Amino acid sequence: GQNIDQPTEMTATEGAIVQINCTYQTSGFNGLFWYQQHAGEAPTFLSYNVLDGLEEKGRFSSFLSRSKGYSYLLLKELQMKDSASYLCAVSKAAGNKLTFGGGTRVLVKP
Amino acid sequence: DSGVTQTPKHLITATGQRVTLRCSPRSGDLSVYWYQQSLDQGLQFLIQYYNGEERAKGNILERFSAQQFPDLHSELNLSSLELGDSALYFCASSVALGEQYFGPGTRLTVT
Repeated sequence: GQNIDQPTEMTATEGAIVQINCTYQTSGFNGLFWYQQHAGEAPTFLSYNVLDGLEEKGRFSSFLSRSKGYSYLLLKELQMKDSASYLCAVSKAAGNKLTFGGGTRVLVKP
Repeated sequence: DSGVTQTPKHLITATGQRVTLRCSPRSGDLSVYWYQQSLDQGLQFLIQYYNGEERAKGNILERFSAQQFPDLHSELNLSSLELGDSALYFCASSVALGEQYFGPGTRLTVT
């Protein structure tokens, strides 16, 4: 099976940086995804890591260490609209189904 | 807008009934996935189709079934509905492997 753990909730101040950690245990790893989801809306794709290292996309960066089963999503220059849930998901090599963590709810305060 | 469409947006029905949820993938995407999201269970993978064939199955109940048609749209059929089936049902699509793009979801309420 797959265990994916991420913190339930985090709070940060507008303009600051927040790092959301995700640890996973899986066999046949094919990639790690981060999605953003506002309440009642569809998850929106943020990033995809398949090799170790850092992927940067504007204010968002994602890091992966396959040997440690660890990833993080870094959100810089936080804006109020970044208040949302952030979902870590792992894809297995057979097929492309995603197994999601429980999500981290980020609250950005003024 | 992800390019994935789902209908209906909302559905309210009674226990014991049967409903059909519909999904049209992004243009060019051959894979379609169905997910269920409830408050206590998070986002759970149900089933995947690739170019009309079932590719992977997750935590899908026997009362639920799905199919993908030659034009690549997909339908998820939910029967003998129970209160616990109330949830958001998302469809996602992808070219093959890689990122999946999610539709807006269908909110099902079973009363």
